[in-house]
Amino acid sequence: AQSVTQLGSHVSVSEGALVLLRCNYSSSVPPYLFWYVQYPNQGLQLLLKYTTGATLVKGINGFEAEFKKSETSFHLTKPSAHMSDAAEYFCAVRTPGNQFYFGTGTSLTVIP
Amino acid sequence: DTGVSQDPRHKITKRGQNVTFRCDPISEHNRLYWYRQTLGQGPEFLTYFQNEAQLEKSRLLSDRFSAERPKGSFSTLEIQRTEQGDSAMYLCASNVWGDTEAFFGQGTRLTVV
Repeated sequence: AQSVTQLGSHVSVSEGALVLLRCNYSSSVPPYLFWYVQYPNQGLQLLLKYTTGATLVKGINGFEAEFKKSETSFHLTKPSAHMSDAAEYFCAVRTPGNQFYFGTGTSLTVIP
Repeated sequence: DTGVSQDPRHKITKRGQNVTFRCDPISEHNRLYWYRQTLGQGPEFLTYFQNEAQLEKSRLLSDRFSAERPKGSFSTLEIQRTEQGDSAMYLCASNVWGDTEAFFGQGTRLTVV
């Protein structure tokens, strides 16, 4: 069975500070992992994904995430937060049957 | 490619009424998914289609919910006898079998009063 846990439903950072959003997964098979971002009253936009190969993946808007199998983690980071990064972030795992399971989300607030 | 399109974007209905939402996937995407997202939660899987075949339904999809994709292109999600607990954002996504990610529409926000 696949599941996703996002630690911290709300994260606040100062503009220019490091962003770290945590995601742990459980999967019975090698996972495909994703981070999506959602702005208010909008759908989900893909930030980045891990399928195979390099464990450090880079996405849009300066975000990156590292797949750590030993820790079953896929944390999202950005070196310097921007005001426009304020949004809801969802970690997701895809099953071999091509279904997606999402975490409960982390709301990121950026303080000027 | 105009992306996944959902209509309407917002719907307010009285309890007990029926509502229908439409989703137009990205052209040539043979897989189409419906998700429900309540406030403060992540999207929860409802059902998905491969072409016109509905391959899986979640236990969240009660008898009042029905989804169709008659020609393997657009899909509709109908909720009969709406309840206040049905208030949520309904998200549609599509991809091609074997794609690594799914592409989401902007959602339909349903409010049942």
